[in-house]
Amino acid sequence: TQLLEQSPQFLSIQEGENLTVYCNSSSVFSSLQWYRQEPGEGPVLLVTVVTGGEVKKLKRLTFQFGDARKDSSLHITAAQPGDTGLYLCAGDNTDKLIFGTGTRLQVFP
Amino acid sequence: NAGVTQTPKFRILKIGQSMTLQCAQDMNHNYMYWYRQDPGMGLKLIYYSVGAGITDKGEVPNGYNVSRSTTEDFPLRLELAAPSQTSVYFCASSYRGPGNTIYFGEGSWLTVV
Repeated sequence: TQLLEQSPQFLSIQEGENLTVYCNSSSVFSSLQWYRQEPGEGPVLLVTVVTGGEVKKLKRLTFQFGDARKDSSLHITAAQPGDTGLYLCAGDNTDKLIFGTGTRLQVFP
Repeated sequence: NAGVTQTPKFRILKIGQSMTLQCAQDMNHNYMYWYRQDPGMGLKLIYYSVGAGITDKGEVPNGYNVSRSTTEDFPLRLELAAPSQTSVYFCASSYRGPGNTIYFGEGSWLTVV
């Protein structure tokens, strides 16, 4: 049973387009993190959200934590080829960090 | 700048063999984790530890064992390797709980044939 489901699983878009990735669960998390992973490397932390309803921005990336702390979204504005990678959400579940199923993003020039 | 160090980086095992993946961190972190990642998928937690002498099962512990005799080291042992254990294994650590920044090792690629 996967605690964290991400959608879509795959996303191929043109440079300049906007996109949103969703991370959903039936469980409540103390905090939620978003990571980006490139081939052959470990995940790299992008952001941590802690408060229900919290919104954080990182340049063209906007992260939101759901009011009930069960879900989150990542919105990318004007995607660039450098945004290509595997995006992972991860929830803090009582001393354990549980990862989502992943969204593979490909941005074409 | 060592951070989290995993060895070996690549390994091929025959079915039924055993091996230990080593993980060491030099940041004095209390929490350490082992994950596996199958191609194109997210990471699944195998085991974790909140401090020396304490270990707990994660989502997929079957076929693995861990120990945490020191703060620095968290080895993962595979007993009787099976093809289903072919995966990339990541070790990670954090100072306190998962809400803090987690640092990952570079990964260990394991193939069981």
